[in-house]
Order: sequence, then C-alpha cells, then structure tokens
Amino acid sequence: SAVISQKPSRDICQRGTSLTIQCQVDSQVTMMFWYRQQPGQSLTLIATANQGSEATYESGFVIDKFPISRPNLTFSTLTVSNMSPEDSSIYLCSVRTSGDYSYNEQFFGPGTRLTVL
Amino acid sequence: DQQVKQNSPSLSVQEGRISILNCDYTNSMFDYFLWYKKYPAEGPTFLISISSIKDKNEDGRFTVFLNKSAKHLSLHIVPSQPGDSAVYFCAASSGGGADGLTFGKGTHLIIQP
Repeated sequence: SAVISQKPSRDICQRGTSLTIQCQVDSQVTMMFWYRQQPGQSLTLIATANQGSEATYESGFVIDKFPISRPNLTFSTLTVSNMSPEDSSIYLCSVRTSGDYSYNEQFFGPGTRLTVL
Repeated sequence: DQQVKQNSPSLSVQEGRISILNCDYTNSMFDYFLWYKKYPAEGPTFLISISSIKDKNEDGRFTVFLNKSAKHLSLHIVPSQPGDSAVYFCAASSGGGADGLTFGKGTHLIIQP
C-alpha cells in the first residue's frame, strides 16, 4: 500500500480564517480523494482531486469553501476557507492505486484534526 | 438519507470467539464494498473488500460475505484477538470501486479477555 502523510496533523484556528492541509504520497497515484469526519459521525467524501483538471465536488461541498489543488501525481492540498466552528472535523486524504494488489482499494492518510474556535 | 448503515454502534465479543459485524446498503448502484478498521487519532486501515460479482472473500482471519438480494454484507473475524478492538467502518462504491466511498457510521468492536 502507499505511504501517505498529511500536514498539519492538528491545528486550532480562529473563525473566519483559512487553513491549507497538505497530502503527500510516496508513489504516483491515479486518484486522490478528500474526506471529512465530523465529531461522532462517519467519513464523508468532499471531493475527488483530479490531476491536471479541477476537482469534482460532492453534493453539499463547493469549490469556494474547499478549494483543492493537485499539481502532480504525488501531492494534493485542501483548503478550508472562512472557517466556522461547524468546520471542526478530521480531514483525511485517501489514494487509489494500481499495482500488485487490487486496483480498487483506497488507502488513507493519518488525518488532520481541525478545531475552529 | 443514509445509503450505508451499520445499525450496531458497538459490539462486545470474548477473545477467541467469532466477531460478526453487519452492514446494510440501499443504493443498487454500489458494486464494490470495503471494510476499514480505525484506531483513535489514526486514519482508517483497509482490511478486506468484495466485488458484487462475488458472495464471499477471505483473507486470513477476516471473511466478508455479500448478500446482494438483501443488500447486506457482514465481516467475520475468527478468532477475535485483543488487537481487533477498534471501530470498524463499512464502505461502498460504484463504478467498480473507481468512485469515492460512502461510509457507514461504524461499529465499535470490543474484544474482552
């Protein structure tokens, strides 16, 4: 499986500010995804980060609030803009790779725990 | 509307016994199903998956069963070990697994010595 790192691992931010979360993979991957897990809830897909084109957002998520970059096949960023306390969540990136194992599994990074005051 | 449901928030099993975690789904477009294990402060760890063309997949102590007509899948862990104590998430995808995942709310499995 791919080794995925995220920065920062956690942060405490003031409302109205923005935070950019980085996701780095140790190998080139075809697909990268961003999820969030709100307190006591399940993981929810925010968007698919496409290399070389704009991200594809799920219903309820918009680019102005969660802009995503995917400059190459090993790196992506998610920005949480104009934050409010409701944005307090764990944000996770995941990757889908091809290789010796099945093509369809997604592997997750360790997550970024965001608290908005 | 929750498309993937795990109706048991928690499950307690004795060490050495079988753990059975259940998951139901409503979206007929789902054709690939996965189980993840999650410890606090860590990202989910992939355990096992199954395509809709199969009804069973086995990997060591883990077996996933899929009943498409009932839109139900289950994860069996035999024998259960203390290190299995974690939150288990069921996830589903369409497009043969090419799309993002839809997760259930998770089941907290507690293995008692």
